[in-house]
Amino acid sequence: ETGVTQSPTHLIKTRGQQVTLRCSSQSGHNTVSWYQQALGQGPQFIFQYYREEENGRGNFPPRFSGLQFPNYSSELNVNALELDDSALYLCASSLITGELFFGEGSRLTVL
Amino acid sequence: QKEVEQNSGPLSVPEGAIASLNCTYSDRGSQSFFWYRQYSGKSPELIMFIYSNGDKEDGRFTAQLNKASQYVSLLIRDSQPSDSATYLCAVRGNAGNNRKLIWGLGTSLAVNP
Repeated sequence: ETGVTQSPTHLIKTRGQQVTLRCSSQSGHNTVSWYQQALGQGPQFIFQYYREEENGRGNFPPRFSGLQFPNYSSELNVNALELDDSALYLCASSLITGELFFGEGSRLTVL
Repeated sequence: QKEVEQNSGPLSVPEGAIASLNCTYSDRGSQSFFWYRQYSGKSPELIMFIYSNGDKEDGRFTAQLNKASQYVSLLIRDSQPSDSATYLCAVRGNAGNNRKLIWGLGTSLAVNP
């Protein structure tokens, strides 16, 4: 058991809506990374938070935003949803240079 | 050129055989190398990580790293049907934004009883 929990596990939205995904990191970990994984693809890095500040960002538009809280839990927000945003969203916690431990993911379907 | 490349497979091996999974990377400054296993519909789980040239063994798994050739591999001895999954290679640089992991697309492994 990884200790990383994500919610919700599944959700369905329509184009143009907004979504918030949540992640509780493993105890002792101060870094949270978010990934998008489309079917048949490897995980694509969205961004990373370290001690409540964004510490790296992948090639995702500004409508993908995030937060990290003092207890190191995190949120991923996506505005103006598009059909291509349908994917498995993975949260992973770690120490800043350590290996990642993933939650079970949130599967988002945009109709 | 893709930053981290893996053969997509599927790689099919009989039960009990050795499965060999390969990964090449383009950034010579890469410092850390990770192998994750992902079952269909599930999240990736860490199998092994390696930082230094040579071999690192953990049970039935051996990771091999050759920085000069920019190559990292994963060997699975005595393959079991439960090893059937997608194996993802991930590579991390050593500073700044390069600390993010760069992922390959994964190799699908099928172990046949």
